[in-house]
Amino acid sequence: GAVVSQHPSRVICKSGTSVKIECRSLDFQATTMFWYRQFPKQSLMLMATSNEGSKATYEQGVEKDKFLINHASLTLSTLTVTSAHPEDSSFYICSVGGYEQYFGPGTRLTVT
Amino acid sequence: QKEVEQDPGPLSVPEGAIVSLNCTYSNSAFQYFMWYRQYSRKGPELLMYTYSSGNKEDGRFTAQVDKSSKYISLFIRDSQPSDSATYLCAMSGGNFNKFYFGSGTKLNVKP
Repeated sequence: GAVVSQHPSRVICKSGTSVKIECRSLDFQATTMFWYRQFPKQSLMLMATSNEGSKATYEQGVEKDKFLINHASLTLSTLTVTSAHPEDSSFYICSVGGYEQYFGPGTRLTVT
Repeated sequence: QKEVEQDPGPLSVPEGAIVSLNCTYSNSAFQYFMWYRQYSRKGPELLMYTYSSGNKEDGRFTAQVDKSSKYISLFIRDSQPSDSATYLCAMSGGNFNKFYFGSGTKLNVKP
């Protein structure tokens, strides 16, 4: 299956700052990548679908100006959390693939 | 009503037991059904996928889909402590532009 990496694996930032999370598909050309958020003991919540070369598609209730997504190439998508607040603290995971979705290892964001 | 319902558990079984994990869903358009395993603080790992109704077996794991009842199951035979994890069901229609996940069932296999 596809190998997906995320960077950083953990990040702690202060409230009001911005954080960029990278998702790389190492051996799969991904025209589409998915970004999820997962709170403790809860399931994955789809935030947005990242489309290579075009705008991302955001799920209802997800602020596109706060969660900026850039899918610059077939192997890289980035999620930038702007003006982060403590309530943005969560586990962010990306995935690629068709019916077999392959997930990255996740990025744990803590906003203090 | 959620698109996908899954009992969160936790489910605790002794080593060697047969484990049954289940999900129900409401959208008859779902055609692809997946099971993922997620260890703590890690990304989900695909275990099995099934297209439409029927059974699929892979080693100790068997996935079943009953579209008429909108019910899917994952059976784990001869469960091992290393199977202790959270199991997520997921499903999608034919275009894979969105996946719907269950809330996950936490499984603990005791030695």
